[in-house]
Amino acid sequence: AQRVTQPEKLLSVFKGAPVELKCNYSYSGSPELFWYVQYSRQRLQLLLRHISRESIKGFTADLNKGETSFHLKKPFAQEEDSAMYYCALKTGATNKLIFGTGTLLAVQP
Amino acid sequence: EPEVTQTPSHQVTQMGQEVILRCVPISNHLYFYWYRQILGQKVEFLVSFYNNEISEKSEIFDDQFSVERPDGSNFTLKIRSTKLEDSAMYFCASSEARTQYFGPGTRLLVL
Repeated sequence: AQRVTQPEKLLSVFKGAPVELKCNYSYSGSPELFWYVQYSRQRLQLLLRHISRESIKGFTADLNKGETSFHLKKPFAQEEDSAMYYCALKTGATNKLIFGTGTLLAVQP
Repeated sequence: EPEVTQTPSHQVTQMGQEVILRCVPISNHLYFYWYRQILGQKVEFLVSFYNNEISEKSEIFDDQFSVERPDGSNFTLKIRSTKLEDSAMYFCASSEARTQYFGPGTRLLVL
């Protein structure tokens, strides 16, 4: 079955600390992985997609097919990073996104 | 930068009533989607739409649901006879190819 797991509901860090938001997926084919962010009272916004291997707002994520993971990392958290982060999987066969349950990142001053 | 828009932002309705949620996708996008998020739960796929027909739907998308693109810009989700469990945030999304861009959502409350 296709599934995305985000094991942490809440991650609280201090400003300047490193951040790693975990995402594991279950899919036997060739996946496309995305990270979406939702700031308070705003829409879901695309943060990263693995195929473009870019860094946005200091965040990076590497697809590890061996561990079936796509963890989101940032070396130094900022208060404005506080938001809900969703990992999403798109399988080759369809265009639908399968979302994880999300991790709320709280960056303390 | 173009964005997906949705109306209304909030809708309260009585159980058994019909509701229509409206979306205006980004203008050059060809693929359209509806997702929903029940409070405290994950975002779930409902339906995708391409070339004026449904390309995929989930088990949630039963006969009570329908989608339409009545003109060149709007994309609507209709729930024929709402149930209490339809209370959720409904998100529209559109894409040109791989990346889906989401609207701000419509919060539906069924009483």
